[in-house]
Amino acid sequence: EVQLVESGGGLVQPGRSLRLSCAASGFTFGDYAMHWVRQVPGKGLEWVSSITWNGNSIYYMDSLKGRFTISRDNAKNSLYLQMNSLRTEDTAFYYCAKGGGYSSGWPFDSWGQGTLVTVSS
Amino acid sequence: DIQMTQSPSTLSASVGDRVTITCRASQSISAWLAWYQQKPGKAPKLLIQKASNLESGVPSRFSGSGSGTEFTLTISGLQPDDFATYYCQQYSSYFTFGQGTKVEIK
Repeated sequence: EVQLVESGGGLVQPGRSLRLSCAASGFTFGDYAMHWVRQVPGKGLEWVSSITWNGNSIYYMDSLKGRFTISRDNAKNSLYLQMNSLRTEDTAFYYCAKGGGYSSGWPFDSWGQGTLVTVSS
Repeated sequence: DIQMTQSPSTLSASVGDRVTITCRASQSISAWLAWYQQKPGKAPKLLIQKASNLESGVPSRFSGSGSGTEFTLTISGLQPDDFATYYCQQYSSYFTFGQGTKVEIK
């Protein structure tokens, strides 16, 4: 059974940094692209970033303007999201999601339960 | 960027009803469209990919159709478990979600 468990969320002040982690199990992690999706409480889903199976191709939503960095460690079955210069508008649940294939051109067939990031002074 | 527009935003229906949700893309995405179901406090669940391919374990009352820029999700015979929010997603060029359609009890 595929399991994705996010961690690292919490309350952080504007301008500070936070690193999210996603621990994967139940599948061959290194064979699949992985993604981060966020959701402001009560609002819709917003794609944040994607990384292919080997980390060679990485994609971000335009509005992030270089503040976030996605990475993965296939030896540790883990996905990461380094978030810098956080803004109040980054407040959201952050979900880790598994792609359907090695490249990014597949929908997201498994999701974690999410971790809440609250950016506030 | 490809924009996705869902309609309606909210849909009131009764158990047993046939409901249809529409998703329109701002440019052609061929059939690179997925549908997700999300219940309150839960992660989204993939229902359909490539516009009409039902995921394993998803009840056959769910169906998807369309290509190009217009797509539909149909639930034939709404069940109590189906009251939720549904999102479309294009994966033709990066990823974009529709704004969601909440299916509520009439």
